[in-house]
Amino acid sequence: NAGVMQNPRHLVRRRGQEARLRCSPMKGHSHVYWYRQLPEEGLKFMVYLQKENIIDESGMPKERFSAEFPKEGPSILRIQQVVRGDSAAYFCASSLYSSNNEQFFGPGTRLTVL
Amino acid sequence: DQQVKQNSPSLSVQEGRISILNCDYTNSMFDYFLWYKKYPAEGPTFLISISSIKDKNEDGRFTVFLNKSAKHLSLHIVPSQPGDSAVYFCAAVGGMRTGGSEKLVFGKGTKLTVNP
Repeated sequence: NAGVMQNPRHLVRRRGQEARLRCSPMKGHSHVYWYRQLPEEGLKFMVYLQKENIIDESGMPKERFSAEFPKEGPSILRIQQVVRGDSAAYFCASSLYSSNNEQFFGPGTRLTVL
Repeated sequence: DQQVKQNSPSLSVQEGRISILNCDYTNSMFDYFLWYKKYPAEGPTFLISISSIKDKNEDGRFTVFLNKSAKHLSLHIVPSQPGDSAVYFCAAVGGMRTGGSEKLVFGKGTKLTVNP
């Protein structure tokens, strides 16, 4: 039973480009969460999605960031017109149920903006 | 406003001794707490959790204690092993019953080093 998969593991973009981060949850999990970790910081919640629905996006920056979790395929975190401050590790987690359940994390995508 | 605080950025212990990692929280809506362990360049790995209806949960060498009145929890690792060296994150979840959220709120982590 494969764990949470994220790709790419490392992504380098120049300022103004777009970054697409992919997350495949654990088999059978329909709840996906995205977190961002800046250097020397803990993980900060960005968005919580179920299949085809955004449930909580209170941690998402208002501009340039979007997320989706289509009926088929992985969840995508999209960052348009990246800036240097977007450089961080982006972690995806999935859970089987929605309430008070362990979230299993992927290995993360390390985004570097030049 | 940091709702989950891990005030010790680092901790060093000798192999075989007890490691105690502390975590404080401010939001009384939190009703489920988790500890994650993280190695460099990897995602966090779930270790142990505790519901607010309990004050202790034990799993092998790992025990989590919760003091609700003090809004404090701690992770005890005994005996500590060199392989335990990692960053440990405390996380909390707000209860859905009280209009909370599923999102995990993390502390900044404590780097544990277990010396042979």
